[in-house]
Amino acid sequence: DAGVIQSPRHEVTEMGQEVTLRCKPISGHNSLFWYRQTMMRGLELLIYFNNNVPIDDSGMPEDRFSAKMPNASFSTLKIQPSEPRDSAVYFCASSYTGGNNQPQHFGDGTRLSIL
Amino acid sequence: SQQGEEDPQALSIQEGENATMNCSYKTSINNLQWYRQNSGRGLVHLILIRSNEREKHSGRLRVTLDTSKKSSSLLITASRAADTASYFCALGTGANSKLTFGKGITLSVRP
Repeated sequence: DAGVIQSPRHEVTEMGQEVTLRCKPISGHNSLFWYRQTMMRGLELLIYFNNNVPIDDSGMPEDRFSAKMPNASFSTLKIQPSEPRDSAVYFCASSYTGGNNQPQHFGDGTRLSIL
Repeated sequence: SQQGEEDPQALSIQEGENATMNCSYKTSINNLQWYRQNSGRGLVHLILIRSNEREKHSGRLRVTLDTSKKSSSLLITASRAADTASYFCALGTGANSKLTFGKGITLSVRP
């Protein structure tokens, strides 16, 4: 079975540009999570969806970040405008949730560099 | 903080030795999970232990949980060079879907 698929794997862009990260969760999973990983701050949960509805976006750093999940098989994380401090690895994960913190399946991430 | 704290931060052992990694936490949990991350890859779920369980095994992995001490340990027996990775504990604290990850332990297994 295909795992969580993220695209692109690498993105290098100049500050001020719009960045869109994409995620396809595992079929049948009903929860989707966006994380950011840096050396300084570790793995941070940005936002998560349950049945395509955003449940908790308290980790989204500021209004420049937005996330959508238009259907069960696709989600985007958008940064506009991007800044150098947004450079990080962004992970998407999915799980099937009966309500009690089930194991999450991670994609291989998007390595984002903002120049 | 609801984050688990792993100990040690880094561990270097010889192939064939056992590796023990610890996670302490301060909040109440439903379950605790361990993940592995190889360089340049996403996290991979290893094992989940529920709050009413004390020990679980999976292949060369053994996880213990002591809820009275709010701590867990991950033991990898007969380590291999391929076990070189970062290991994270993650706390499941409620009826929602969230997990809170620690900062990870870097394990190096020398051939």
